[in-house]
Amino acid sequence: SAVISQKPSRDICQRGTSLTIQCQVDSQVTMMFWYRQQPGQSLTLIATANQGSEATYESGFVIDKFPISRPNLTFSTLTVSNMSPEDSSIYLCSVERDTNNEQFFGPGTRLTVL
Amino acid sequence: QQQVKQSPQSLIVQKGGISIINCAYENTAFDYFPWYQQFPGKGPALLIAIRPDVSEKKEGRFTISFNKSAKQFSLHIMDSQPGDSATYFCAAGRFFSGNNRKLIWGLGTSLAVNP
Repeated sequence: SAVISQKPSRDICQRGTSLTIQCQVDSQVTMMFWYRQQPGQSLTLIATANQGSEATYESGFVIDKFPISRPNLTFSTLTVSNMSPEDSSIYLCSVERDTNNEQFFGPGTRLTVL
Repeated sequence: QQQVKQSPQSLIVQKGGISIINCAYENTAFDYFPWYQQFPGKGPALLIAIRPDVSEKKEGRFTISFNKSAKQFSLHIMDSQPGDSATYFCAAGRFFSGNNRKLIWGLGTSLAVNP
């Protein structure tokens, strides 16, 4: 498996502000993913972040709203920009091991926007 | 359109019983089928996964049964315990470009095991 940490674990933010979520992995991985999960709901992929290339965004998600950085093989950030209450959710990062394509998840960041 | 259909939405099982969760998919390009377990306030944890070249995989009390012709796969939890109470997600994976694999997720099953 992989040990994945996320910061912050939770935050309460005001409308119109931005929050950057950090994801740190204990080993080098090529592919990292950012998901959003509403409480009690399934996971929705926001984007795939490969080191050395631009993130690939899923339909309904745009770079201006969710800019992603991937400066090296163990770290990524997701920024939620110009937040509104609709952005209140759990944000999860995951990594894919190169050897067998298994995906492992971080503990998540619970975001509440007032 | 839900590409991976999961049922039931919720399940209540007595301790010691068998929990069965089912998933169905449409796209035959899927070639990787994992199950995840998620406890409240935690990220999903990979439980067990199967590839379409085998019909069954067992790890401890957890078994995946895979029916390629029916495009269905299921999770069986034998001797279910209260500690198994969690939300379970099935997923189906395929390559979309180059070496980029993406998972398509089911909607989840909330399992409660009564003591």
